[in-house]
Amino acid sequence: ELKVEQNPLFLSMQEGKNYTIYCNYSTTSDRLYWYRQDPGKSLESLFVLLSNGAVKQEGRLMASLDTKARLSTLHITAAVHDLSATYFCAVEKKETSGSRLTFGEGTQLTVNP
Amino acid sequence: GAGVSQSPRYKVTKRGQDVTLRCDPISSHATLYWYQQALGQGPEFLTYFNYEAQPDKSGLPSDRFSAERPEGSISTLTIQRTEQRDSAMYRCASSLGFANEQFFGPGTRLTVL
Repeated sequence: ELKVEQNPLFLSMQEGKNYTIYCNYSTTSDRLYWYRQDPGKSLESLFVLLSNGAVKQEGRLMASLDTKARLSTLHITAAVHDLSATYFCAVEKKETSGSRLTFGEGTQLTVNP
Repeated sequence: GAGVSQSPRYKVTKRGQDVTLRCDPISSHATLYWYQQALGQGPEFLTYFNYEAQPDKSGLPSDRFSAERPEGSISTLTIQRTEQRDSAMYRCASSLGFANEQFFGPGTRLTVL
């Protein structure tokens, strides 16, 4: 059974600081996603990582994937208050006629002024 | 439509009642997924459809849960004889095909009293 673990689960940081969220998964996967969730809102897709060594950046967020270590990271650079949200990683496993996402528990990020 | 829509957005019901939740996927999306998200957790897979076919029901927690997609478009998730442990956010997602990225709806928050 595929398990996905994120840490930390709660992160409080000051504006301007850097930090990394970690996502470990237990078996091989086909794709890895990072999502952002704001209270009462839908899941917003941030990054899709397909292959070993993949690195993607958007603004102050950068995601990377190491399939050998079964590890993805989401790095936050010079955090701003607008980044406060819950961040989920999700691992996709394809099956014969579909695929399912297995999510981590989420990291609740609070960026303080 | 422009995105995945779900209705109702909020549902409060009494224990023992049946509820039906609706998902309207992005038009032309062949694959539709249902997830259950407990408070403070990541979404968990329930079931999915390719058009009207339902290849995988393995995530449905009990036989009180059922889903339909009779014409390969709109889908409903029905929970019979609701229990308090069914209280959660129910999320629907759709994708162009089974190998494509999933796009999530805003969810239905179900509260069972």
